[in-house]
Amino acid sequence: GDSVTQMEGPVTLSEEACLTINCTYTATGYPSLFWYVQYPGEGLQLLLKATKADDKGSNKGFEATYRKETTSFHLEKGSVQVSDSAVYFCAPSTNSGSRLTFGEGTQLTVNP
Amino acid sequence: DTGVSQNPRHKITKRGQNVTFRCDPISEHNRLYWYRQTLGQGPEFLTYFQNEAQLEKSRLLSDRFSAERPKGSFSTLEIQRTEQGDSAMYLCASSDAGTSNNEQFFGPGTRLTVL
Repeated sequence: GDSVTQMEGPVTLSEEACLTINCTYTATGYPSLFWYVQYPGEGLQLLLKATKADDKGSNKGFEATYRKETTSFHLEKGSVQVSDSAVYFCAPSTNSGSRLTFGEGTQLTVNP
Repeated sequence: DTGVSQNPRHKITKRGQNVTFRCDPISEHNRLYWYRQTLGQGPEFLTYFQNEAQLEKSRLLSDRFSAERPKGSFSTLEIQRTEQGDSAMYLCASSDAGTSNNEQFFGPGTRLTVL
């Protein structure tokens, strides 16, 4: 079945530092790939997505590129802010349109 | 439409009791999903519906769990004879089968505590 390996946390950075959260996956077919974010006390929100190989998803300064050859979808941001403090989840979805398979999540804390 | 809604937001119950949660998806979405999230973990898939048909169930969904979506709109998740291990956040999501990428929109969740 599908699985996700996500960079272990927690990750603590200073404001304006660079961020990379690694994500690799196994999935049947050609999945769509998602990053979801969960801010403290809030529900899951879609951060960005990519639906085919070499697509780059981007939102709020975050980017991730669908790498089919390495089955990876690493999340990057060049300059993090305190408001980026949250838990980040990588999640592929098979073409069947059913479940999302979530990683364990990476807790990010950004200090001023 | 303001997104996916779930009720109640919190439920505290005693072991052995039955509980029922409700999810109202985004109105034009024909797919509805249930997930469970325990502390420090990512959400785990439980089941999903397309319209009123339940198309997939996880092995996590034991016989004590049942989900329905009788009219293809809102859904209920019932847990019978609750156990302490059922304590978790229960998340509902919806999506539009007309899109090919399966982008799912999540509700705020129902936090269940079994004493």
